[in-house]
Amino acid sequence: GQNIDQPTEMTATEGAIVQINCTYQTSGFNGLFWYQQHAGEAPTFLSYNVLDGLEEKGRFSSFLSRSKGYSYLLLKELQMKDSASYLCAVRDRNAGNMLTFGGGTRLMVKP
Amino acid sequence: SAVISQKPSRDICQRGTSLTIQCQVDSQVTMMFWYRQQPGQSLTLIATANQGSEATYESGFVIDKFPISRPNLTFSTLTVSNMSPEDSSIYLCSVEGTSGGSDTQYFGPGTRLTVL
Repeated sequence: GQNIDQPTEMTATEGAIVQINCTYQTSGFNGLFWYQQHAGEAPTFLSYNVLDGLEEKGRFSSFLSRSKGYSYLLLKELQMKDSASYLCAVRDRNAGNMLTFGGGTRLMVKP
Repeated sequence: SAVISQKPSRDICQRGTSLTIQCQVDSQVTMMFWYRQQPGQSLTLIATANQGSEATYESGFVIDKFPISRPNLTFSTLTVSNMSPEDSSIYLCSVEGTSGGSDTQYFGPGTRLTVL
């Protein structure tokens, strides 16, 4: 099976930087995904990492270390609209390449 | 990217009844996925639906409770049978796709089900 852990809630200030961590244990790692989900809406794709290192997309960056089973999502220049849940998901080739989701981190951005 | 629509967007149902949720994709896809998201929880995969074959169910989910149809490459249905209040959840349809050269999964808008 898989075990994916991420903090339940985080609070940050508008304009600041926040890092959301995700640790995982899987036998056949084949990619890690980050999704953003606003309340009452479907998850939307943010980033994908399959190799070690940092992937940057505008204000959002995602980092992966396969040896440590660790990823983080970095959000810069926080805006109020960034208040949402952030879901870490891992794909396992030994599980038919299905995605398994972590519990999600609810981020609240305050003025 | 894939555009996914679901019907109904929400429903309130009585205990013991069944509801069929429809998922339509704007392009042909091999696999379609059905997820459940209970209040305040993350997503749990119910089953994978391939066209022309039986759906593959994850542990804890069975065909009698969640029958799935996949009549063609752009459409699928999920039925929640003999509902109880514990089935109150958001049900999401998902397909694989690519975004910016990366493969990912796209999600439909979800069906919010409340069982009384």
